[in-house]
Amino acid sequence: ELKVEQNPLFLSMQEGKNYTIYCNYSTTSDRLYWYRQDPGKSLESLFVLLSNGAVKQEGRLMASLDTKARLSTLHITAAVHDLSATYFCAVDMRGGADGLTFGKGTHLIIQP
Amino acid sequence: DADVTQTPRNRITKTGKRIMLECSQTKGHDRMYWYRQDPGLGLRLIYYSFDVKDINKGEISDGYSVSRQAQAKFSLSLESAIPNQTALYFCATSDMGRDTGELFFGEGSRLTVL
Repeated sequence: ELKVEQNPLFLSMQEGKNYTIYCNYSTTSDRLYWYRQDPGKSLESLFVLLSNGAVKQEGRLMASLDTKARLSTLHITAAVHDLSATYFCAVDMRGGADGLTFGKGTHLIIQP
Repeated sequence: DADVTQTPRNRITKTGKRIMLECSQTKGHDRMYWYRQDPGLGLRLIYYSFDVKDINKGEISDGYSVSRQAQAKFSLSLESAIPNQTALYFCATSDMGRDTGELFFGEGSRLTVL
């Protein structure tokens, strides 16, 4: 059974600081996804990582994937209040055959 | 208009009632999914379908059923709703042709069972 663990599950940080959210998964996969969810809203796709060593950046967010370590990171640089949201990682174990398995999410609050 | 549309967006019902949540998409994607979101638990897969004739159970299918009426429509039914089915339900699609596995979500249907 695939397990996806995120940590931390809750993070409060100040604007301007850097931080990293970690996503570990339990079985072999080389496809990992990051989503953002604002309160009461849908999930918005942030990054699609499809191979070992993949790194993608968008603004102050950068995601990477190490399939050997079964680890992905979402790094936030110089955080701003608008990045406050819940961030989910999700893993595709069988090339889309079974949908995605999600972590529990990291609730991020960025304070001015 | 949203590419993945869910109706109703909010519904309050009573224990034992039959409820149907509907999903339609204009993205032309083959694959459709129903997920359930509970606070602190992330999203869990209920059912998924790769085409009209293909329906598969997900992690938490007990108490639910689905119907894929057309490539663009995928409905989720609760035959006899119970309070622990109170949750936020999401429909999602993905494109088998592009094969990235990326999911595209609807706006969600919030269901409360009293």
